[in-house]
Amino acid sequence: SQQGEEDPQALSIQEGENATMNCSYKTSINNLQWYRQNSGRGLVHLILIRSNEREKHSGRLRVTLDTSKKSSSLLITASRAADTASYFCATALSGGYNKLIFGAGTRLAVHP
Amino acid sequence: DTGVSQDPRHKITKRGQNVTFRCDPISEHNRLYWYRQTLGQGPEFLTYFQNEAQLEKSRLLSDRFSAERPKGSFSTLEIQRTEQGDSAMYLCASSLTGQVNYGYTFGSGTRLTVV
Repeated sequence: SQQGEEDPQALSIQEGENATMNCSYKTSINNLQWYRQNSGRGLVHLILIRSNEREKHSGRLRVTLDTSKKSSSLLITASRAADTASYFCATALSGGYNKLIFGAGTRLAVHP
Repeated sequence: DTGVSQDPRHKITKRGQNVTFRCDPISEHNRLYWYRQTLGQGPEFLTYFQNEAQLEKSRLLSDRFSAERPKGSFSTLEIQRTEQGDSAMYLCASSLTGQVNYGYTFGSGTRLTVV
């Protein structure tokens, strides 16, 4: 089963624009992570935000977390064609070993 | 050590045949995970090892699937009597206990096509 649900399912923008993807989840979490996947490849870890954090930055990435609404957003600023990929949020459940549950992803296309 | 390695990258098999995939995690990582991903979907959890012990197996995993991690190093995932519905990308990932603020490191996956 998949806990996280991303919105939108697909996003098409021009280079230089910002891209925002949202993720909602259902149960208590330890942390929430975002991954990128280029077509036919494995996933690459982008950023992790812990349940007691509200915002985190890494380069052109900005992640927010609202545990009261059980939602997160990923903002990519000044997008580039190389950002074209699928983006997945993954929640590490409370307790246990931080098992990751992935959503269905947002497919981002950045046009030159 | 250049990351998580998976072999083969692609596998085409006839329905009913058995297949085995291999995963070599990052050497110091004691946790290893298998996921399955179908087109347009996110990865779906299959099973988890801590060292050589298989600690969790998805209820969605049929008895035709088995995974091992002898000596807590590499892992194998075997699918017996393959069915067309098994066609998917099989992803392996690893992590280290205590590094909860780091994500998983994924391999490039094995794409299985059952014909």
